[in-house]
Amino acid sequence: KAGVTQTPRYLIKTRGQQVTLSCSPISGHRSVSWYQQTPGQGLQFLFEYFSETQRNKGNFPGRFSGRQFSNSRSEMNVSTLELGDSALYLCASSSSGGINTGELFFGEGSRLTVL
Amino acid sequence: DQQVKQNSPSLSVQEGRISILNCDYTNSMFDYFLWYKKYPAEGPTFLISISSIKDKNEDGRFTVFLNKSAKHLSLHIVPSQPGDSAVYFCAATHPNQGGKLIFGQGTELSVKP
Repeated sequence: KAGVTQTPRYLIKTRGQQVTLSCSPISGHRSVSWYQQTPGQGLQFLFEYFSETQRNKGNFPGRFSGRQFSNSRSEMNVSTLELGDSALYLCASSSSGGINTGELFFGEGSRLTVL
Repeated sequence: DQQVKQNSPSLSVQEGRISILNCDYTNSMFDYFLWYKKYPAEGPTFLISISSIKDKNEDGRFTVFLNKSAKHLSLHIVPSQPGDSAVYFCAATHPNQGGKLIFGQGTELSVKP
């Protein structure tokens, strides 16, 4: 069974640009969550999509947005990039979004560097 | 406001000894706690979890203890092995929060041969 796939793995952008990251969940998984990891901050929850609907949202500015397609693939977009957006962006999928069995499966992440 | 805190950024332990990683939380609504392990250039992988109705959960060399009154949990690894060297993240969630986990900052464990 293929794992969670994130593309691109690495990318470099400049301030003011926008970026789109993609996540393909494990086949059959309907929930996709996005997290940002920065040094010293751990992983911070961005948002979760379930059946094409945003189900949960973290405390990030509106420059961060996402969507989910009918095949459960998800994209997140960051507009007007700032230096502080440099981070590892992780996508996680689960069959229902339930946590009770620790069933979040993470991808390897997309490393974004903003210059 | 950091609701989940791992106050030790790093821990070094000798192979064969016990590793104890600590985590504190502030939100009494959290009802489920998890530990994830992360190697460089890889995504976090689930290690072990515990429900708030329990105070201990064991899985092989890994045991998680929960002290609700102190809002504290710990992960014990016995015996520690060099392959356990990684960053360990503690996470917590509320009821009905789906894929939303609140993570600590992580503790980098180094197990020396």
